[in-house]
Amino acid sequence: GQQLNQSPQSMFIQEGEDVSMNCTSSSIFNTWLWYKQDPGEGPVLLIALYKAGELTSNGRLTAQFGITRKDSFLNISASIPSDVGIYFCAGPAGNNRKLIWGLGTSLAVNP
Amino acid sequence: SQTIHQWPATLVQPVGSPLSLECTVEGTSNPNLYWYRQAAGRGLQLLFYSVGIGQISSEVPQNLSASRPQDRQFILSSKKLLLSDSGFYLCAWRGDLTWGEGFYGYTFGSGTRLTVV
Repeated sequence: GQQLNQSPQSMFIQEGEDVSMNCTSSSIFNTWLWYKQDPGEGPVLLIALYKAGELTSNGRLTAQFGITRKDSFLNISASIPSDVGIYFCAGPAGNNRKLIWGLGTSLAVNP
Repeated sequence: SQTIHQWPATLVQPVGSPLSLECTVEGTSNPNLYWYRQAAGRGLQLLFYSVGIGQISSEVPQNLSASRPQDRQFILSSKKLLLSDSGFYLCAWRGDLTWGEGFYGYTFGSGTRLTVV
């Protein structure tokens, strides 16, 4: 079945550093979604991407829909302590009623 | 505006006891509803989803069941809990969060932390 490979699994960075994470798939996706989960909370949608090559920003976050439609990247610039959490990528399954999820990238920021 | 409510926030239950977690959505009609479980703070496992009243799709054979008695109500149940049922349970609905055309993202509830002892 479809799988999303998300890397790195975890990151430990200093406040102010830039962060980059990615998600790859063995099959094509028509939509890529990036979520963030704060500790003890449900995931919240950060960015949605709908077109190959699309580059979309949300504040200090920038995500790109890969040209091959098999990957996506999320960058965070000038990290701050509140960026701590788990970042998930996701894409719709065949009938668009379900999402396929990556296993997440856990981000820790040292102030 | 649409909101999703999930309760309780925390639950500690003995092995063999029943379980009932409830999720309700306000401000929308005929939503797609989802139950997920998350173990050890990583990986979202889809348990059930529903596209309408009484319509339940099960993703993983397990000790749990789901029901949708009303349009905006989704219930997760178990007759006898196992230790392995411990985890963070999340309800979600398919909403209209878009930055453009295309697939709609999910909106999640705040989750229930279940500990089976």
